[in-house]
Amino acid sequence: QTVVTQEPSLTVSPGGTVTLTCASSTGAVTSGYYPNWFQQKPGQVPRALIYGTSNKHSWTPARFSGSLLGGKAALTLSDVQPEDEAEYYCLLYYGGAWLFGGGTKLTVL
Amino acid sequence: QVQLVQSGAEVKKPGASVKVSCKASGYIFTSYGISWVRQAPGQGLEWMGMISAYNGNTNYAQKLQGRVTMTTDTSTSTVYMELRSLRSDDTAVYYCARYDHNSSPLLDWGQGTLVTVSS
Repeated sequence: QTVVTQEPSLTVSPGGTVTLTCASSTGAVTSGYYPNWFQQKPGQVPRALIYGTSNKHSWTPARFSGSLLGGKAALTLSDVQPEDEAEYYCLLYYGGAWLFGGGTKLTVL
Repeated sequence: QVQLVQSGAEVKKPGASVKVSCKASGYIFTSYGISWVRQAPGQGLEWMGMISAYNGNTNYAQKLQGRVTMTTDTSTSTVYMELRSLRSDDTAVYYCARYDHNSSPLLDWGQGTLVTVSS
């Protein structure tokens, strides 16, 4: 059974930089997994942030960036704002099916 | 603007079936697919599957194979997701989302539908 793993929680100070990662139990994450990232705030519908590893949607703030890092997909938030406090989910493609990671709860403190 | 409007909350008994609808507007319906995602209370997101609104082709999560069916009605730009043999752990908010093959499998989201399975 394939598992996608994210850090359960991370804490960052306002104005700081933080990197969230997304690993696959099948091995290194490559662009062929088309990593996507989503943000969900409490009580809200999830929102798409990044697709195809590093592509931003028109509404994605510039401080969010996606990449591949050390065999994992990564989401980096620069100049973190208080409103970035949320749950972040990665999504990977496995040949016809998609699989979410367990999510990372990001606290801005 | 793109809108995905889902049907209302449902309460079902174990063993029953539920059918959730997702009515799309604001784009060419048959040019995109629809994905379904669910979220149990206090838990993470789970991808359930997707359907092409162009030809009705489907891909389902292995875990739900045999219990889930997704269909489309192009005359009303509506997608349906039916889940059978409901169990208590199927209690969740169910979301539909627009699938854009050129960008994201979950581009625009519906408001969610709470399905509660309880005896």
